[in-house]
Amino acid sequence: EDQVTQSPEALRLQEGESSSLNCSYTVSGLRGLFWYRQDPGKGPEFLFTLYSAGEEKEKERLKATLTKKESFLHITAPKPEDSATYLCAVHVGGGANNLFFGTGTRLTVIP
Amino acid sequence: NAGVTQTPKFQVLKTGQSMTLQCAQDMNHNSMYWYRQDPGMGLRLIYYSASEGTTDKGEVPNGYNVSRLNKREFSLRLESAAPSQTSVYFCASSEWAGTSGRNEQFFGPGTRLTVL
Repeated sequence: EDQVTQSPEALRLQEGESSSLNCSYTVSGLRGLFWYRQDPGKGPEFLFTLYSAGEEKEKERLKATLTKKESFLHITAPKPEDSATYLCAVHVGGGANNLFFGTGTRLTVIP
Repeated sequence: NAGVTQTPKFQVLKTGQSMTLQCAQDMNHNSMYWYRQDPGMGLRLIYYSASEGTTDKGEVPNGYNVSRLNKREFSLRLESAAPSQTSVYFCASSEWAGTSGRNEQFFGPGTRLTVL
């Protein structure tokens, strides 16, 4: 059974304190792993797509990496405006582009 | 470009009432999706449409119907609302065309629905 698990559920960081969020997956035929950011009361905002193990993508203070079993979202020197819920999703094999989402990590960055 | 738009933003229904959630995208995307988001459950796919004129069930389709009106618009209908359908509903779209194309999905702002 396809499964996506994110950890931790919640994370509180001091401003400037770097850390990583984890997304582990058990799927057959990965066709892409996605990271999204979701602010309260808003829709998910697309951040990154990773397609193969070893791939890395960066955007400002965020860097996403992918292995055969998990992905990490590294946050370097976070600022309060990075506070949000970060969602991981996978696109598995087949003709449909259906994404399976994890339940997210709620990040709070304290000034 | 507005991206993906949804109406209404908020809605309160009584049990048994019906309503239609509207979604439109201006990115010329092929595929469109309806999700619901509940606390602790993550986003779950209700229905999707891989192209104009086609629709398929997702993980939680019971109690819902959809219509892909044209390439831009994809609506979700609740025929007889139940309290279990209280949720936040998101529409999304992607370029994906069945076997190729970019598969990132882009989301609308959501509709917050309460069924009393």
